[in-house]
Formats: sequence, structure tokens, C-alpha cells
Amino acid sequence: AQKVTQAQTEISVVEKEDVTLDCVYETRDTTYYLFWYKQPPSGELVFLIRRNSFDEQNEISGRYSWNFQKSTSSFNFTITASQVVDSAVYFCALSEPASYNTDKLIFGTGTRLQVFP
Amino acid sequence: DADVTQTPRNRITKTGKRIMLECSQTKGHDRMYWYRQDPGLGLRLIYYSFDVKDINKGEISDGYSVSRQAQAKFSLSLESAIPNQTALYFCATSDSTAGETTDTQYFGPGTRLTVL
Repeated sequence: AQKVTQAQTEISVVEKEDVTLDCVYETRDTTYYLFWYKQPPSGELVFLIRRNSFDEQNEISGRYSWNFQKSTSSFNFTITASQVVDSAVYFCALSEPASYNTDKLIFGTGTRLQVFP
Repeated sequence: DADVTQTPRNRITKTGKRIMLECSQTKGHDRMYWYRQDPGLGLRLIYYSFDVKDINKGEISDGYSVSRQAQAKFSLSLESAIPNQTALYFCATSDSTAGETTDTQYFGPGTRLTVL
């Protein structure tokens, strides 16, 4: 069965610290997609990144970076020089096998990040 | 204007009442989804629809029904609300015509529902 584990329930850091949010997934399929979403205190879900299982290159977008390692079934998210505006709940999600053609997602339980000034 | 809108944004109702949550999108996407979010549980899929004539149950469909009135509208109904349906409800859309084997889901702002 497919599963996403975000073992860190809550992380607190002080502004300007780097922080890594862990995501470990389980799937038997070879073709799948992984996602990260951000849920700020206002409640909406904001799409951050989508990565397919054949692309293990790390991705960097400003202060955000993602490390995808199939060998450890992990898709970790690092925020460099964190800011108070980064305070949010972050969700990692795994797609159903691409062959199912459903776009359905399995979400982790989320990691609440609090960045203090 | 937001691409995916949900109404109402907040609702308080009583046990046994029927309630409808509505979702509209201007993204032109063919696929729509309803999720609920509970503290510590992440998001769980209630129903999804791949087009107007296609409705599918998700992980937790009991106690809910849906209607896809048009490609752009997907409503969720609680026929007889109960307190454990108190949650944050999200609508999402994706575009199967975008050429990818799995497409990104884009979410509405959420509806916070409280059942007393």
C-alpha cells in the first residue's frame, strides 16, 4: 500500500536558521509523482513542487530546495535562512501510480514549522 | 480573482441538518476533488470526479454525497450532519489534458465546517 510519513510533527526554529522537513514514502510502483504543499496560518493550500520518480536531480527555488533520493524513498524539503513568513504546515504527498491515471494523492500528516523572530 | 473558490468559507450547523458546500473553478480543469482535513490526519479524499458524468468514492465517502453540476462546479453535501464531520474541507482541481501522466492538484481556500 502507498503511504507517506512525515515523522516531524512540529519544528521550531529561530529566524535565519536552516531547516529540513523530512518526507518518506512507500510505493511499489516505478512511476509516481511527489509533491509538497504549504498551508500558511490563513488556511489555504499552496502548491510548491512536483517531482516525478525518474528525475532525481535536486531542485532549488530561492531559499527552498528539495532532495529526492529513491534509494531511501525520501523527498526532503530544506528552507535556507528561514523567515517568519515560512511559518506554516507543510504537507508531502505521493500520487497513485501513474498507470492508474487518476491524479489521486496520498498525503502525509504534515509538519508544522514555526519560525520565531 | 481566485481560480478555485469555495462557499461558504465558514459554516456552523447543528446535528441532523443538511448542508451543501460548493466549489467553482475558472481554471478549465476537468477533474475535481473533495478532501477533508482533520488535525494530525492530513488530507483525506472524500469524492472525486473526472468529468460531469463521472463520480467516484474516495477514502472516506460515508455520510457524504456529491454533485457535478457542470465542468466548473462540484458540490459536496452532508445529508444529516454529525459532530465528527467537523473539519476543514478542501476542493481541488487538476487537468488531465495537460499531457502529463499525473497532474498537479490546485486547491481552493477551504471551508471550515463546525457541526454542533
